[in-house]
Amino acid sequence: KNEVEQSPQNLTAQEGEFITINCSYSVGISALHWLQQHPGGGIVSLFMLSSGKKKHGRLIATINIQEKHSSLHITASHPRDSAVYICAVRRPNTGNQFYFGTGTSLTVIP
Amino acid sequence: DGGITQSPKYLFRKEGQNVTLSCEQNLNHDAMYWYRQDPGQGLRLIYYSQIVNDFQKGDIAEGYSVSREKKESFPLTVTSAQKNPTAFYLCASSRGGFYGYTFGSGTRLTVV
Repeated sequence: KNEVEQSPQNLTAQEGEFITINCSYSVGISALHWLQQHPGGGIVSLFMLSSGKKKHGRLIATINIQEKHSSLHITASHPRDSAVYICAVRRPNTGNQFYFGTGTSLTVIP
Repeated sequence: DGGITQSPKYLFRKEGQNVTLSCEQNLNHDAMYWYRQDPGQGLRLIYYSQIVNDFQKGDIAEGYSVSREKKESFPLTVTSAQKNPTAFYLCASSRGGFYGYTFGSGTRLTVV
């Protein structure tokens, strides 16, 4: 069983919809990283969280350490948000290594 | 602008040949990482290096080798011992602490 589970695996939404992607993990962590991978393969960092909530533009990330769960929300979704969203967790005392979920593939239809 | 450069973007290799993937960064990051990505799986760690002249095996190091002679460079060699080398390879770097990763754009390796 993967230490990091994401849901859903695939998601299709209409432009303008509110989107939620979930990440659950089964180990103790020191940080959680949300990443975006575009069709060409390049990956960009969206958020690093260790508690609470962060917002950047239309993206919001939350984490609940007690429940070992994080969510990534996209408000007013747009076709350019179509990508794979990846959750990764950093375990303590592992030299800043991250362990990755398998990703959620999002398609936003105009 | 600072960043990580991976080359080439696409690489074809014949079975039995070694091939080296390049990863260069100008971010002054101490730590560098190589990951492999296969369809339906999360990124898996091949090797990582936290300082020059030192590197550690990740979860799937068999059939791969690395070197870290300069802070800026962390090349990955896929050897003929790697039984299933066709994959997408990503290099990342980090300045450690609470900072996340910066990724390169990846190299897609196909064995023909």
